[in-house]
Amino acid sequence: QMQLVESGGGVVQPGGSLRLSCVASGFTFSSYGLHWVRQAPGKGLEWVAFTRYDGSNQYYADSVRGRFTISRDDSKNILYLQMNSLRVEDTGVYYCAKDRRDYYMDVWGKGTTVTVSS
Amino acid sequence: EIVLTQSPATLSLSPGERATLSCRASQSVSSHLAWYQQKAGQPPRLLIYATSNRATGIPARFSGSGSGTDFTLTISSLEPQDFAVYYCQQRSQWPIPFGPGTKVDIK
Repeated sequence: QMQLVESGGGVVQPGGSLRLSCVASGFTFSSYGLHWVRQAPGKGLEWVAFTRYDGSNQYYADSVRGRFTISRDDSKNILYLQMNSLRVEDTGVYYCAKDRRDYYMDVWGKGTTVTVSS
Repeated sequence: EIVLTQSPATLSLSPGERATLSCRASQSVSSHLAWYQQKAGQPPRLLIYATSNRATGIPARFSGSGSGTDFTLTISSLEPQDFAVYYCQQRSQWPIPFGPGTKVDIK
């Protein structure tokens, strides 16, 4: 069945960097766009970034634009989120999600936790 | 940027009752709206896409309606497993935010 597994979360100081990974299986990875969505502790969902199926376009939330970069490696079925200049408010669970081809998210990973703290 | 608001913030109901959740957009999103369910400690699950289409495996007690700026998710008869947080999401224009959520809890 379709599956997404995130990794790479951890504790980092403000101003630091992390790279999250999301390994996909059970579907043709190169045919679908992919999202990152995050959730601060006790808060709601925040859409973070999207990459099209062919990597031709990326879209970002204003809160992360210029600091985060979404990318994909279709040869390895892996989605990445490079996070630089991290802030305390970037703390939360980060989910990757598969796009249905219409910008709705139909398959989700279980998430990886990022904590930004001094 | 389109902003979504959801009401009520919390809905306290008993199993078997009907739940009506509202999502309002700051400008028209046509029919480009989805609903997700999230239970504690779990990732979200797509329930409804394009306003009124149930995702794969979603029971018929879940239905969506609306257009433009006002949308409704209805759960016709609450089952114990339906007590959760529900989020709407628009995909009419970038960025594609979620609403703040409605928590449906047991009365």
